[in-house]
Formats: sequence, structure tokens, C-alpha cells
Amino acid sequence: QQPVQSPQAVILREGEDAVINCSSSKALYSVHWYRQKHGEAPVFLMILLKGGEQKGHEKISASFNEKKQQSSLYLTASQLSYSGTYFCGATHTGFQKLVFGTGTRLLVSP
Amino acid sequence: GAGVSQSPRYKVAKRGQDVALRCDPISGHVSLFWYQQALGQGPEFLTYFQNEAQLDKSGLPSDRFFAERPEGSVSTLKIQRTQQEDSAVYLCASSLDFGVGNTIYFGEGSWLTVV
Repeated sequence: QQPVQSPQAVILREGEDAVINCSSSKALYSVHWYRQKHGEAPVFLMILLKGGEQKGHEKISASFNEKKQQSSLYLTASQLSYSGTYFCGATHTGFQKLVFGTGTRLLVSP
Repeated sequence: GAGVSQSPRYKVAKRGQDVALRCDPISGHVSLFWYQQALGQGPEFLTYFQNEAQLDKSGLPSDRFFAERPEGSVSTLKIQRTQQEDSAVYLCASSLDFGVGNTIYFGEGSWLTVV
């Protein structure tokens, strides 16, 4: 069963913050975050491995709560280039097979 | 090459026709994946190769779908007797190594439309 992402869609003004959540009904081994623009390849953002770590990448960071089987992606001071659909990809074992979430469409307006 | 390369980018096939989709992974990458992405949905796993070995094909929807990677580099996904429900974007991805902490890089996909 695929992870559920929330919200399904969000509209931001440039400079605003957003949080995207990814919840799994199965135990998570790792979570991979991607952003995809229409007609383009999913672009890798970051990987979080089990252990409850938090990672940062400029103004984009993420957390992984193994107990709650959740991961969250934090976008701060959003830029127009952040627009796209965000997917979490979960692995449930040490194997690389990603099960992608339901997706979150993000639109950043000027 | 610099990234994962796929061809053709766009393919229109008549129902019943066979198609072959090619993937050139990043040079030296051990792991190769095929995913299927329907419009507005997330990618769904089809199959996985480690070098030339196909270790998981659990996501292939039917025996009309076949994938190979004979020399451990280029891979081909073949769909026989295409049907309308096969219309989707087929994404190829590769990773340097097979550990779960390795980044998986995606190509831009082959857009298949079956008419």
C-alpha cells in the first residue's frame, strides 16, 4: 500500500513556508524525497534513513520519525522554482525498491 | 552520459503493436529500475536489475511486459500486443550501488500512447 501524503495540494506566495507529510502503514526503512515538474524527470532532494534523523538542503529540510512511520519535508522561504509535485518514496526493507506516495502539488506564486 | 537517458521520448503505438523502450543509465551504475507513471499519479515499480541480473520483476503488470539488461548497462523494456491501458510514462532510474542509502536518479521517461 502506498504512503499517503498531505496536503494533496498547496498554494503559496513566494517567501512563505510549507510542510509536506508522508505517512506509511508499514514500517519504514528509508524515505526518499523527489520533486517533479510536468513532463520532466523526478529530481532527487534527499534521503533519510531510519534512525529519526533530520537533514537539510539549503532551505529544504526533512525529518523522519521511525516510530510514527512518517516523514515530513519542510520548505522555507519558498521560491517560484519550488513549484511542482513532491513525492516521497518509501523503502520497507534494506532493498532499494521505492514505493511512491500519493503526491503533493505545490504552486508558488509571485 | 551526464544523466539517465531514455528513448524514444514519445511513442504512439496502435493497439496490438509491440514497442521497445530503451534506457541508458548513468555510466557505472549497478542498479537499474523501471517505473510506470500514469497521469497525475506517482511512479509505480515495475522491475529491478542489479548489473545484468533481474532480481525483482514483481511489478510487471502482465506477461506482455518484458525487460532485459544483457550486458549490465543499457536496458530495454518491451511491451507486446500493446493495449490502451498501457498508455503511461515509463521511467527508468539508476543508482551507483544497491544499498538503500544510494541516490536513485531518474530519466525523463518515455511517453507511450496506445491508440
